[in-house]
Amino acid sequence: AQSVTQLDSQVPVFEEAPVELRCNYSSSVSVYLFWYVQYPNQGLQLLLKYLSGSTLVKGINGFEAEFNKSQTSFHLRKPSVHISDTAEYFCAVSDRSGRRALTFGSGTRLQVQP
Amino acid sequence: EPEVTQTPSHQVTQMGQEVILRCVPISNHLYFYWYRQILGQKVEFLVSFYNNEISEKSEIFDDQFSVERPDGSNFTLKIRSTKLEDSAMYFCASSGAKPSEFFGPGTRLTVL
Repeated sequence: AQSVTQLDSQVPVFEEAPVELRCNYSSSVSVYLFWYVQYPNQGLQLLLKYLSGSTLVKGINGFEAEFNKSQTSFHLRKPSVHISDTAEYFCAVSDRSGRRALTFGSGTRLQVQP
Repeated sequence: EPEVTQTPSHQVTQMGQEVILRCVPISNHLYFYWYRQILGQKVEFLVSFYNNEISEKSEIFDDQFSVERPDGSNFTLKIRSTKLEDSAMYFCASSGAKPSEFFGPGTRLTVL
């Protein structure tokens, strides 16, 4: 079984400031890792994913995330946020054994203020 | 850019009624999924479908739920007898050979 913990339910930040959204996971097997963004009244959009290779993954809209196996973390970062980044961000995992279902965290609401 | 589409965007139904939620996955994808998100809660996996059969399902996906791929393009979720607690946003997703699910915009189901 897997679980995903997003420690911060809300993160307020000023425009052009850096931000980090934290994600930790627990799994008995190796995992794939994902970040999704959900804008108000919209579906889930894939921001980035870690499948293998370099532990630093770059995604869309200037976001990046780093896989840290020893700390079982996959934190999402952006060096300078915009008002348009205001959204809900979900971390998710799936295992490498063939089971494809995603297990999601509870989400972090990023609120960018002018 | 190809995308997953879902209809209707909002469905209102009476408790005990049957509903069918429809999805058109991305055309060359192999895996299809349904997830749901109860208001204010996390996104939860319901079922995955591959090679014309269910490959995996969660505890939520009980006998009241069924999925079908009636033709080469549609993927449906049926709830036989809706309950109040079925009210949620239902997301369809699809993926190719690599694990990377693309989600549709969702169907908001309201059970009265």
